[in-house]
Amino acid sequence: GEDVEQSLFLSVREGDSSVINCTYTDSSSTYLYWYKQEPGAGLQLLTYIFSNMDMKQDQRLTVLLNKKDKHLSLRIADTQTGDSAIYFCAGYNTDKLIFGTGTRLQVFP
Amino acid sequence: GAGVSQSPRYKVTKRGQDVALRCDPISGHVSLYWYRQALGQGPEFLTYFNYEAQQDKSGLPNDRFSAERPEGSISTLTIQRTEQRDSAMYRCASSLKLAGKAKNIQYFGAGTRLSVL
Repeated sequence: GEDVEQSLFLSVREGDSSVINCTYTDSSSTYLYWYKQEPGAGLQLLTYIFSNMDMKQDQRLTVLLNKKDKHLSLRIADTQTGDSAIYFCAGYNTDKLIFGTGTRLQVFP
Repeated sequence: GAGVSQSPRYKVTKRGQDVALRCDPISGHVSLYWYRQALGQGPEFLTYFNYEAQQDKSGLPNDRFSAERPEGSISTLTIQRTEQRDSAMYRCASSLKLAGKAKNIQYFGAGTRLSVL
């Protein structure tokens, strides 16, 4: 089955760019997603990318997909303290989302 | 409603008790999903419904767990004879498109945090 891995922590200075990485095993995922989890809140969909695309940009967010290496990344430009949260990548396998373990992003002034 | 609503937000129960967790999906969404999230982990799939039909319950850990969605809207996840290992955040999601279709966007509720003492 699908396995999705992420690094656990990332710490960046406010105003810098953040890059969160994800690797997955199942190349049949048609879409790959990034969700954001803040304390006391649900999972918020940030963006997604179709598997035949290499890159997608959405305001401060840039998603890069390397299908050959099964590597997905999320770049957040001009990171703000409000971006501090846990970020999950997820693959879509037939009828369910398969999530990674999440990357905790900490933004310091 | 405006978003996926789950209740209660917090549930503390004693081992051996039954609990029922409720999910009210976004109006008009045809598919509904249940996930469980342990501390420090990503959500893990439990089960899902297309309309009122339960399509896949392969993620339910054992027969103490069951779910229903009798009228194709609100869903209830029931855990019988709770055990301490059932403690987790239980998340519900809904989608406008049928599960299995391309670009299936799932919208999540805030979750129910279950603590079994």
